[in-house]
Amino acid sequence: LAKTTQPISMDSYEGQEVNITCSHNNIATNDYITWYQQFPSQGPRFIIQGYKTKVTNEVASLFIPADRKSSTLSLPRVSLSDTAVYYCLVGGPFSGGYNKLIFGAGTRLAVHP
Amino acid sequence: DTAVSQTPKYLVTQMGNDKSIKCEQNLGHDTMYWYKQDSKKFLKIMFSYNNKELIINETVPNRFSPKSPDKAHLNLHINSLELGDSAVYFCASTRGSDSYNEQFFGPGTRLTVL
Repeated sequence: LAKTTQPISMDSYEGQEVNITCSHNNIATNDYITWYQQFPSQGPRFIIQGYKTKVTNEVASLFIPADRKSSTLSLPRVSLSDTAVYYCLVGGPFSGGYNKLIFGAGTRLAVHP
Repeated sequence: DTAVSQTPKYLVTQMGNDKSIKCEQNLGHDTMYWYKQDSKKFLKIMFSYNNKELIINETVPNRFSPKSPDKAHLNLHINSLELGDSAVYFCASTRGSDSYNEQFFGPGTRLTVL
């Protein structure tokens, strides 16, 4: 299973763009990159998923370079309500069994007024 | 119209007791999971069921016994509770059998063992 490395914490201010980078050097060919967001006292919530290049939805963008050994979650114009822990995970289908996602420590994003 | 619900939300009990946590999803998903999030906030998978069949069973003490009466429900029974069992337990579900599909998490059950 591909291991991920991301910063433990980040600070930002309201209105700024926040980029959180995740390293996954041993990502497998079939693996997808998925990001979840977790607010205090709540379960994680799916944000975005991608395989290569760029994916954008109403919440965030995900940038994946050609070698796929890293990815960057981009949150445009953050607000106080974006203060949360962000998890980067890699995983995908494989034959012969069931897969499981491994949640790491995540990145604690604190957005300040 | 809660997608994944858990009961109870809070559970405070004494060491040695037996307790159960219930989970229900109304999304029509095939696979359900139990995760444990400890005080350091690491989220670790414990079990996974696909259509009532156990498919993932991590290194969890056999005091923990999951039960899936149907594919919409996955309950967790814990025998002989220990202090180290104190954590937040999350239930989740996903379409199909692949955990990399979007997982929908419940609100969590905060278990405190005294």
